[in-house]
Amino acid sequence: DQQVKQNSPSLSVQEGRISILNCDYTNSMFDYFLWYKKYPAEGPTFLISISSIKDKNEDGRFTVFLNKSAKHLSLHIVPSQPGDSAVYFCAATGHGQNFVFGPGTRLSVLP
Amino acid sequence: NAGVMQNPRHLVRRRGQEARLRCSPMKGHSHVYWYRQLPEEGLKFMVYLQKENIIDESGMPKERFSAEFPKEGPSILRIQQVVRGDSAAYFCASSPPGNSNQPQHFGDGTRLSIL
Repeated sequence: DQQVKQNSPSLSVQEGRISILNCDYTNSMFDYFLWYKKYPAEGPTFLISISSIKDKNEDGRFTVFLNKSAKHLSLHIVPSQPGDSAVYFCAATGHGQNFVFGPGTRLSVLP
Repeated sequence: NAGVMQNPRHLVRRRGQEARLRCSPMKGHSHVYWYRQLPEEGLKFMVYLQKENIIDESGMPKERFSAEFPKEGPSILRIQQVVRGDSAAYFCASSPPGNSNQPQHFGDGTRLSIL
């Protein structure tokens, strides 16, 4: 029973365009959400997070949107750069629960 | 400002041997988490430890796996009598004390291969 889903295993985007990565969750107790980026042979690197009291958080080229009623969040990267090519993991936690990670989306930014 | 340090980076064992994976958290971090990643899958929580205490081991297999985080030294994930299915990347993460709603910071993992 996957509590955090990333339904797109992969995504290709042209350099300079917007990348939109999606994540859905089922557990209404989750109240803190994070995105991590992972390069091959490295550990996940924290990118950006959002608390359930907000619906948007922005950090440079990265913006995370949270739609609590739909139990959906998305990560927008604009403009996309070749160095953004990586696997992106969505994670959720809350009320003392451990982090639950999605299966990841592989983003390829084409020059 | 060293990050989370894991060693070894790669570990090869034969079936039936023991594997020991080590993790030193970031300076100032007292919470340690272990995750396992199988090929083409996400990270699966295994265990959450604080110094000298196991807080949550709900993700640990009931047999052959154990973890510790002693008062001095790194956290250790120990797998006894390894089997082929234990082949995976094992990641350690740490976070500072306090509010659980804060990012965990990951090491680069140990890739365990069972022959």
